[in-house]
Amino acid sequence: GEDVEQSLFLSVREGDSSVINCTYTDSSSTYLYWYKQEPGAGLQLLTYIFSNMDMKQDQRLTVLLNKKDKHLSLRIADTQTGDSAIYFCAGNRDNYGQNFVFGPGTRLSVLP
Amino acid sequence: DGGITQSPKYLFRKEGQNVTLSCEQNLNHDAMYWYRQDPGQGLRLIYYSQIVNDFQKGDIAEGYSVSREKKESFPLTVTSAQKNPTAFYLCASSIGVEDEQFFGPGTRLTVL
Repeated sequence: GEDVEQSLFLSVREGDSSVINCTYTDSSSTYLYWYKQEPGAGLQLLTYIFSNMDMKQDQRLTVLLNKKDKHLSLRIADTQTGDSAIYFCAGNRDNYGQNFVFGPGTRLSVLP
Repeated sequence: DGGITQSPKYLFRKEGQNVTLSCEQNLNHDAMYWYRQDPGQGLRLIYYSQIVNDFQKGDIAEGYSVSREKKESFPLTVTSAQKNPTAFYLCASSIGVEDEQFFGPGTRLTVL
């Protein structure tokens, strides 16, 4: 089955850029997503990229997709304390059934 | 306002009791999902439903049951057969099973 991996922790200083990485094993996903989870809350969709794109920019967020290496990254420019959260990458698949696979999440801590 | 709601936010139960978690959406989505989240882990799929009156087991269905009698509602029952029920439970919905998922705020269940 699909495996999605992420590093579990990342610390950055306020104002710096954050880069959160994700690798996956199954290349059949049509879309790849980034979700944000603040403490004690549900997941909020941040952005997504279609699998035939290499890059997508949305204000402070840049998503890079390297299909050859099965690597997805999320760059947050000018990171703020409000960006402190857990970030999940996820992919969908065409398989009947478990269509969404989430990574374990990266906890981003923004230091003043 | 369209959205997905879960209630209650916090739930305490004694060991051996069944408990039902509520999930309601007014997004007119066909598909609904239940996930479990444990500290430091990603989301694990418990059950999902593609359409009313139909549901399928996910990765960790043992000790749980669901029903989907109405499009808007997908309640999850945590039975006494679930060996380690204390966790954060997240409900989600999507237009179809291959589409982006929208999450509720979650219910934190603690079994004493």
